Amino acid sequence: GQQLNQSPQSMFIQEGEDVSMNCTSSSIFNTWLWYKQDPGEGPVLLIALYKAGELTSNGRLTAQFGITRKDSFLNISASIPSDVGIYFCAGQLSETSGSRLTFGEGTQLTVNP
Amino acid sequence: DGGITQSPKYLFRKEGQNVTLSCEQNLNHDAMYWYRQDPGQGLRLIYYSQIVNDFQKGDIAEGYSVSREKKESFPLTVTSAQKNPTAFYLCASSIQWTAGQQYFGPGTRLTVT
Repeated sequence: GQQLNQSPQSMFIQEGEDVSMNCTSSSIFNTWLWYKQDPGEGPVLLIALYKAGELTSNGRLTAQFGITRKDSFLNISASIPSDVGIYFCAGQLSETSGSRLTFGEGTQLTVNP
Repeated sequence: DGGITQSPKYLFRKEGQNVTLSCEQNLNHDAMYWYRQDPGQGLRLIYYSQIVNDFQKGDIAEGYSVSREKKESFPLTVTSAQKNPTAFYLCASSIQWTAGQQYFGPGTRLTVT
């Protein structure tokens, strides 16, 4: 299956810094999702985006659905140690593909206190 | 509390043995999924089920089998034909097949020696 290009692969930041990561694809998606995975646990849904250009926030997290529908961005403001984990983007191609998702390879975030 | 449970958390088997991983959900979701995750990689779809008594192969179904006899249960059997079965296995569900948002269980780490 197709993989999304997610970058960066890893980030090492100081507590309090802002973080940005993104996903790009050659295909058009009609839904973008962002998940966070703690070590040894299942991914937890953070934000879901359904419209091109949509900007959605969840606390210190903000995600955007790119206007080309081929990319999405996740920003974390004022990072804290519990933000550590792997962040995955996922896209749904179309309703005909059902909720079959394509996942990025993840961004490993490390926050130094 | 509603959610997805996977058991056991850790599973050890000898090479050549079949093993079944449990996945149960009480969210009343129609669709369920099995993913495989290898270190430093994204999620790869093994099998999915749009509705009870139905299931379809995903991207890496070889060496795996599933059943969906009840809405709340979607067990995965890792057979001896799977050449590299050691991995972290994640079960997910969505309210219906066309809904983009998938919710994940805590995962089962399978080690085969």
